[in-house]
Amino acid sequence: AQKVTQAQTEISVVEKEDVTLDCVYETRDTTYYLFWYKQPPSGELVFLIRRNSFDEQNEISGRYSWNFQKSTSSFNFTITASQVVDSAVYFCALSENRGSTLGRLYFGRGTQLTVWP
Amino acid sequence: DTEVTQTPKHLVMGMTNKKSLKCEQHMGHRAMYWYKQKAKKPPELMFVYSYEKLSINESVPSRFSPECPNSSLLNLHLHALQPEDSALYLCASSRGTTVTEAFFGQGTRLTVV
Repeated sequence: AQKVTQAQTEISVVEKEDVTLDCVYETRDTTYYLFWYKQPPSGELVFLIRRNSFDEQNEISGRYSWNFQKSTSSFNFTITASQVVDSAVYFCALSENRGSTLGRLYFGRGTQLTVWP
Repeated sequence: DTEVTQTPKHLVMGMTNKKSLKCEQHMGHRAMYWYKQKAKKPPELMFVYSYEKLSINESVPSRFSPECPNSSLLNLHLHALQPEDSALYLCASSRGTTVTEAFFGQGTRLTVV
């Protein structure tokens, strides 16, 4: 079973629009960690945020904000006033805190975001 | 400094060649990773090193051989690869294997001909 689902394969918006990238996860662990990474065409995965399972406080960082809801197992990512430089593939990932899988990141399939000028 | 450096950035090799990918970090991280990424797919974990010991091998074929000479370096030795091994190979590091945001390098784009 897929542990991280990103249902949106591709999203296109025009500059200055707000856009939300969805992420739904599945785990039986009570302690786990969620991540968002950005992958521009250059290939490097850029770390954006880590959220611990016991901290449901939402977070805002500039134009980026994250909405973590354990009740719906979702960790959505919103970009406000999108810019062309936001164009990239965005991955949501899950890490579980059990011995056999320590260090393993379970990635969603990614969402390709294209921001048009 | 959150930099992970991978060399080379591009590599073309024949199926009978032997080559190595290199990865270096100076963040004091004690966990290092190799991922393989095919086009339009998420990264797939290959190997995890924790404190310079191999802790996870995701049933990777033996033509891929990892090596961790010290806490800052991670190599991936390649031998007798197949064209389907062509992919982006990403190295990453993290403070440890728990709680871990991993920092990734820019990757090596490998083409096997």
